[in-house]
Amino acid sequence: DQQVKQNSPSLSVQEGRISILNCDYTNSMFDYFLWYKKYPAEGPTFLISISSIKDKNEDGRFTVFLNKSAKHLSLHIVPSQPGDSAVYFCAAIGRGSTLGRLYFGRGTQLTVWP
Amino acid sequence: DGGITQSPKYLFRKEGQNVTLSCEQNLNHDAMYWYRQDPGQGLRLIYYSQIVNDFQKGDIAEGYSVSREKKESFPLTVTSAQKNPTAFYLCASSSLRDSGELFFGEGSRLTVL
Repeated sequence: DQQVKQNSPSLSVQEGRISILNCDYTNSMFDYFLWYKKYPAEGPTFLISISSIKDKNEDGRFTVFLNKSAKHLSLHIVPSQPGDSAVYFCAAIGRGSTLGRLYFGRGTQLTVWP
Repeated sequence: DGGITQSPKYLFRKEGQNVTLSCEQNLNHDAMYWYRQDPGQGLRLIYYSQIVNDFQKGDIAEGYSVSREKKESFPLTVTSAQKNPTAFYLCASSSLRDSGELFFGEGSRLTVL
């Protein structure tokens, strides 16, 4: 029972253009959302997060948007660079609840080509 | 340098053998976690621990065991009861007082021959 879903297993984007990675969740107890980036044979690294009291958080080329009514969030990367090619995981946690752990989506493989 | 250290990075095991993966952190984090990554499956939680001498099963705990005798250490044993143990294993930690952000180790690749 996936509480966090990334329905696109892969995304291919040309360098310089925008990459949009999507994530949906089902549990209304989630109040904090994170994106992680993972290269092969390495551990994931934290990229950006957003609290449920916000609808947008920006950090350089990365922006995360949250639509609570739709239980949907997205990660925008502008402009995309070849070094952004990696697997991106969406994760959620209910900090104000007994959900004392992160729930991860299955990931989206982003490929940025020159 | 503060961080999470997993060892070994690569491990080969014969069927029927137990194997223990090490995870040590010096971040003074309260919580530690073990995840398994398989292609197309994302990160699946095996076990987690929020305090010393206590741990909870995650989504796929069958065939695994853990201990949390020290705050810094959270070893994972893959037992012979685990039907499909070949995978990439990731250890992580977090401070319960912060946002819940996880810090991951570099991972351990286990291959059963």
